[in-house]
Amino acid sequence: AQSVSQHNHHVILSEAASLELGCNYSYGGTVNLFWYVQYPGQHLQLLLKYFSGDPLVKGIKGFEAEFIKSKFSFNLRKPSVQWSDTAEYFCAVTPNQAGTALIFGKGTTLSVSS
Amino acid sequence: ETGVTQSPTHLIKTRGQQVTLRCSSQSGHNTVSWYQQALGQGPQFIFQYYREEENGRGNFPPRFSGLQFPNYSSELNVNALELDDSALYLCASSPTGASYNEQFFGPGTRLTVL
Repeated sequence: AQSVSQHNHHVILSEAASLELGCNYSYGGTVNLFWYVQYPGQHLQLLLKYFSGDPLVKGIKGFEAEFIKSKFSFNLRKPSVQWSDTAEYFCAVTPNQAGTALIFGKGTTLSVSS
Repeated sequence: ETGVTQSPTHLIKTRGQQVTLRCSSQSGHNTVSWYQQALGQGPQFIFQYYREEENGRGNFPPRFSGLQFPNYSSELNVNALELDDSALYLCASSPTGASYNEQFFGPGTRLTVL
């Protein structure tokens, strides 16, 4: 069965520190990859996605992610975090076929102190 | 552009009862997916509807059922509620059933089963 692993359950950083959140998936075929974010009291919203082309994807608010096919990974990065980045981050994958669902990891809670 | 809306916001039921949750998709979207998010977990796919037809189902028992209406709004019905059904239920809509589409999430319905 397809699955997504997020390595860090809770990450605590100071403002201006760099961020990298790990994500690995298990699926042998072509996939589409997503990072969603849930700010406190808000809906899940898309940070960025990859479905083809340049494996380095840039999203909103200065986030980026790199798809490394050989490692089945899609790690999220940000060079300098802000207090407003405090949120829960979810990695998700869909196999590249119609009618398939998002398979989510368990999420990583990021706490940024000012 | 109106986003995805869900009703009710919160619901308390007792074991064995039945519940109906509602979702209005974003304007122009013909695909709706439902997810269950237990505390501390990522969302888990329940099923997806595309143009009023079920278009994929996750590992949930038949007592979880759904409908999509001609205006693309949707219902999730759960019969014979169990304590483990307590969770946040998320609805997400997308423009088509294509797997690379972003899914737009609603705020969720918090269901508590006593």
